[in-house]
Amino acid sequence: NAGVTQTPKFQVLKTGQSMTLQCAQDMNHNSMYWYRQDPGMGLRLIYYSASEGTTDKGEVPNGYNVSRLNKREFSLRLESAAPSQTSVYFCASTRTGGDYGYTFGSGTRLTVV
Amino acid sequence: AQRVTQPEKLLSVFKGAPVELKCNYSYSGSPELFWYVQYSRQRLQLLLRHISRESIKGFTADLNKGETSFHLKKPFAQEEDSAMYYCALSGSDSWGKLQFGAGTQVVVTP
Repeated sequence: NAGVTQTPKFQVLKTGQSMTLQCAQDMNHNSMYWYRQDPGMGLRLIYYSASEGTTDKGEVPNGYNVSRLNKREFSLRLESAAPSQTSVYFCASTRTGGDYGYTFGSGTRLTVV
Repeated sequence: AQRVTQPEKLLSVFKGAPVELKCNYSYSGSPELFWYVQYSRQRLQLLLRHISRESIKGFTADLNKGETSFHLKKPFAQEEDSAMYYCALSGSDSWGKLQFGAGTQVVVTP
């Protein structure tokens, strides 16, 4: 089915380890986003890519990096994981512009111990 | 700065009763507003966009610019409406970025 695919679904890391969360969409969307979801805080934007070749910081970028590999793929990297990065991470995509709404991936549940 | 406030963390209603989820926003320009729903352990799904003026699964939402609100309503709650609901705002200058509220957990009991 068309949509947004995220891998892995679950991950446990030790403090200081690194990992990359993968996201791919097959809807020919221009814009892609990474959010983290924490209880009582809703979803907060980490990084976004308005179009292929561009990336920008969101509300909570510290400790993360991103790569827009091509139009389909947008990865999120944790260089040195910290317990504060324990969260559920969602990737989303949309057509250019803000009025179409997002399509979300199924999420990655990350625990840093 | 844009902000979305959902004052209720938890809303418990009986099946068949009306349900209203409150959403207030602050934004100096003309916003695009959305409601997203997340069923247990599933991905978020778009429920409503204010621009489309649709009714989805019996839910409606009206943008009130005077009160800066976008409350979600359903006249008769069903058990399958139990979920987490997020209100979200996109500003005209925000490149499609969404600002989410903290969410309201709805529990519909029989």
